[in-house]
Amino acid sequence: EVQLVESGGGLVQPGGSLRLSCAASGFTFSSYAMNWVRQAPGKGLEWLSVISGNGRAIFYADSVRGRFTISRDDSKNTVYLQMNSLRAEDTAIYYCAKATRYGSGDTDSWGRGTLVTVSS
Amino acid sequence: EIVLTQSPASLSLSPGERATLSCGASQSVATSLAWYQKKPGQAPRLLIYDASDRATGIPDRFSGSGSGTDFTLTINGLEPEDFAVYYCQHYIYPPRTFGQGTKVEIK
Repeated sequence: EVQLVESGGGLVQPGGSLRLSCAASGFTFSSYAMNWVRQAPGKGLEWLSVISGNGRAIFYADSVRGRFTISRDDSKNTVYLQMNSLRAEDTAIYYCAKATRYGSGDTDSWGRGTLVTVSS
Repeated sequence: EIVLTQSPASLSLSPGERATLSCGASQSVATSLAWYQKKPGQAPRLLIYDASDRATGIPDRFSGSGSGTDFTLTINGLEPEDFAVYYCQHYIYPPRTFGQGTKVEIK
């Protein structure tokens, strides 16, 4: 069974940093692209970033490019999201999501999310 | 950036009725479009990928159609568990934007 478990969320002051982790199990982690998506309170889903299975292709949404960095450690079956220069508008539940198939853009498995609150 | 516009914003229907949700893209995404169901406190659930293929375990009352810039998600015979928010997402190239969502409410 595929499992994705996010961690690392919490309360941080504006301008601060956090690193989110997503621990994966139940599939061959290195074969799949991994995404980060967030949902701010009362808002819709926002795609943030994707990293390919081999880690060589990385893309970001404009809203986080230059502030957030996605990475993966296949030895730990974990994908990360380093978040710097955090703003109040970054307050959201952050989800990691696994690509459905090798090379696909849709995502069939999601974690339960981790809450990030940016506030002074 | 491709903008996805979903309509209507909300839909009020009774169990057993048909729901028809639309998603329009600001430029062609071919068939690189997925539909997700989102309930409060739960992770999103993939329903449809590649515009019309049902994801594993999704009941056949859910169907998707369309290509290019116009897409539809149809739910035939709404079940109580289907009342939720539905999002479309394209993945033809990054950024892989989502639509703003359609809320399907119980009438």
